[in-house]
Amino acid sequence: EDQVTQSPEALRLQEGESSSLNCSYTVSGLRGLFWYRQDPGKGPEFLFTLYSAGEEKEKERLKATLTKKESFLHITAPKPEDSATYLCAVLNAGGTSYGKLTFGQGTILTVHP
Amino acid sequence: GAVVSQHPSRVICKSGTSVKIECRSLDFQATTMFWYRQFPKKSLMLMATSNEGSKATYEQGVEKDKFLINHASLTLSTLTVTSAHPEDSSFYICSARLGTTGSNQPQHFGDGTRLSIL
Repeated sequence: EDQVTQSPEALRLQEGESSSLNCSYTVSGLRGLFWYRQDPGKGPEFLFTLYSAGEEKEKERLKATLTKKESFLHITAPKPEDSATYLCAVLNAGGTSYGKLTFGQGTILTVHP
Repeated sequence: GAVVSQHPSRVICKSGTSVKIECRSLDFQATTMFWYRQFPKKSLMLMATSNEGSKATYEQGVEKDKFLINHASLTLSTLTVTSAHPEDSSFYICSARLGTTGSNQPQHFGDGTRLSIL
């Protein structure tokens, strides 16, 4: 069974204080790992897709990396507007989860001015 | 690009009413659409997957007669909650994706529908 575990559950940062969010996964075969941002009362907003170990993607203050067991979302010099829940999801290559995303529980990020 | 519109954003209705939620992909053709349910402070729970022109595939434990899904075109899917009861109150979110079952393209989500059954 696919498993996705995100840590920490909640993270409070001061503006400008860089940090990382972790997403550990167990799948029989990874077809893709996805990062989303979700604001309260809204649907998830797509950020990145990573397809293979060693791959990195960047967008503004965010950088996502991938290994064979986990992914990190690095946030450099965060601003209050980066406050949101960040979700990680994996797409399995086969089995009963084929074609479906398995989501982690999310990390609630709060950035204080 | 990759905009998904979901309507309505909020519904409040009496027990026993049927409610229809629409999900549209505005700038791409969505071969596959998904319907999720999200409980407070929880992650997304997949309810069903639908491919255009085919019957939806429901996840275990989801009543197909309760949650009717129609995906009649490449840009529109609808979820109808039939004879809704208070326990059906939740946040329902749709997503759309290019490609069929084996696609590894990202899903793009609507902004969700908050359903409250009195």
